[in-house]
Amino acid sequence: ETGVTQSPTHLIKTRGQQVTLRCSSQSGHNTVSWYQQALGQGPQFIFQYYREEENGRGNFPPRFSGLQFPNYSSELNVNALELDDSALYLCASSWTGGGTEAFFGQGTRLTVV
Amino acid sequence: GQQLNQSPQSMFIQEGEDVSMNCTSSSIFNTWLWYKQDPGEGPVLLIALYKAGELTSNGRLTAQFGITRKDSFLNISASIPSDVGIYFCAGQLGENAGGTSYGKLTFGQGTILTVHP
Repeated sequence: ETGVTQSPTHLIKTRGQQVTLRCSSQSGHNTVSWYQQALGQGPQFIFQYYREEENGRGNFPPRFSGLQFPNYSSELNVNALELDDSALYLCASSWTGGGTEAFFGQGTRLTVV
Repeated sequence: GQQLNQSPQSMFIQEGEDVSMNCTSSSIFNTWLWYKQDPGEGPVLLIALYKAGELTSNGRLTAQFGITRKDSFLNISASIPSDVGIYFCAGQLGENAGGTSYGKLTFGQGTILTVHP
């Protein structure tokens, strides 16, 4: 067990709605990265948060946004949901500057109908 | 988005057989990682490689960091039924990119491993 927890585990939303996913990082980790994993694909990097600021972003539109809190936990927000946003959303925590690798949570399965 | 080229896409083997899979990239990475993902779960880190040419083992798993830093290999010896799952390679720029690249991973498409008892 990695200690990275995500909530909720499953979610169904309607196209056009907004969604917030949550992640608690592993104890001792200060960085949270978010990934989108479509069915049958590898995870795709969305963005990373370090010191409560975005620290790098993948090829995702601005309607994907996030937050990091002082306790290093994080949220992923997606506005104006599209059908193609249906995927497993993974959160990974790591320690920037310390050389620890990314440990993943169990993911949130989002279905957009 | 960019993904690494991972092969094979799937493998069906008998218990006890050895398995090999590999990953290639058009870009150089300073760290190569191998993860295993079970259905409904997040990826679990198996092996991390930090130096070109490095060969690292973790039980029955052995992985190598290619000399060119553009490829990596994972071998599983004497497979058992619990090895079933999806294996992903991932590249990371790591410490040489200013210390802020940990956790920013580029993944392969995955290799689906099925082990028949």
